[in-house]
Amino acid sequence: DTAVSQTPKYLVTQMGNDKSIKCEQNLGHDTMYWYKQDSKKFLKIMFSYNNKELIINETVPNRFSPKSPDKAHLNLHINSLELGDSAVYFCASSQLTGGTEAFFGQGTRLTVV
Amino acid sequence: AQSVTQLGSHVSVSEGALVLLRCNYSSSVPPYLFWYVQYPNQGLQLLLKYTSAATLVKGINGFEAEFKKSETSFHLTKPSAHMSDAAEYFCAVSFQGAQKLVFGQGTRLTINP
Repeated sequence: DTAVSQTPKYLVTQMGNDKSIKCEQNLGHDTMYWYKQDSKKFLKIMFSYNNKELIINETVPNRFSPKSPDKAHLNLHINSLELGDSAVYFCASSQLTGGTEAFFGQGTRLTVV
Repeated sequence: AQSVTQLGSHVSVSEGALVLLRCNYSSSVPPYLFWYVQYPNQGLQLLLKYTSAATLVKGINGFEAEFKKSETSFHLTKPSAHMSDAAEYFCAVSFQGAQKLVFGQGTRLTINP
């Protein structure tokens, strides 16, 4: 039973399109995240949500809009996709308290052509 | 600002040799430290974590790491490398109340037969 699952695993789309990535966790965690991994494997946080409320937005363009319908789900919608958005996007979850590790999904490889 | 630096973007060792992956952190408050492993086309898996208990931490797959406050380091070691250890390794840091992980740039570990 997958702890953090995200769909789709692969996403190829044209510039200018709008796309969504879905994420669900069944760990009962309070906090969920979106991370972006670039072509050099560098991981950077984009957003953090706690109990459906946005708590971190790391200067991500407005074209990226996360939505959390409940604390088990955090979706990422991207408008007007650009070539530079090509990356692997990871969803993760954890308990809010410090010192607890984050559990990651398998990633969504987004390719914008 | 808190940060993590991994020395060496690529480490290559022979099968059976010692693995040493270096991680140094910068922080003004006590950190929580983590090592994650990423196999090709997969998400991140926790190897081990330091949360201010024992300074020598044992993790999965025979890995361990030692927290050295005086050196601000948290290096990852394994006495004898296996071919299956070939992967990307990430050191990460978080802090009480920070609600996010900050990752190092990753080290790609290659195992030579």
